[in-house]
Amino acid sequence: DTAVSQTPKYLVTQMGNDKSIKCEQNLGHDTMYWYKQDSKKFLKIMFSYNNKELIINETVPNRFSPKSPDKAHLNLHINSLELGDSAVYFCASSQDYSLAEQFFGPGTRLTVL
Amino acid sequence: SQKIEQNSEALNIQEGKTATLTCNYTNYSPAYLQWYRQDPGRGPVFLLLIRENEKEKRKERLKVTFDTTLKQSLFHITASQPADSATYLCALDSSASKIIFGSGTRLSIRP
Repeated sequence: DTAVSQTPKYLVTQMGNDKSIKCEQNLGHDTMYWYKQDSKKFLKIMFSYNNKELIINETVPNRFSPKSPDKAHLNLHINSLELGDSAVYFCASSQDYSLAEQFFGPGTRLTVL
Repeated sequence: SQKIEQNSEALNIQEGKTATLTCNYTNYSPAYLQWYRQDPGRGPVFLLLIRENEKEKRKERLKVTFDTTLKQSLFHITASQPADSATYLCALDSSASKIIFGSGTRLSIRP
């Protein structure tokens, strides 16, 4: 009974390709997030959705586009992948956007060659 | 700009001792501060949340303090065990409706 799941766990691709990462939460939470963790382990928020509405959009290249088809899903699509996009991407959810306890997925390690 | 710092990148202590991790922040007064644990290859796991009007919070062997004057939180693990070895992240709510995470402290407990 995984609370927050992400697929795939590993993604290796060539520069210039387009890829998607999927995230699902079965906790009934209203808010979902995407974070990027770089090689120095620094965890930085990219996007936040509350009830399918975008509420946070950090300074992220517009090659990154989140999509929330429903409250339980928040997918991340990345166009024209670059070497610098290599990182671990974490999806997370929380009960609401009050910034309380967040539940993280297992992460997707993206490697761009 | 708001900044959050965990002043030890790594901490190595003997089993049974108390581990103390520090989190400092500047340029903001958060409503609360959180601590997470992250194991290699896994996502962070929430441990404790402490609000600005709380001085201290405990959960089993864990204790968190929050000093809004010093702009500092201390995270203690008493009677530390090798299984406590992990990276610990502090996080605070920022003025921009988002959580800011510190870079983490990698804690190693040696038997």
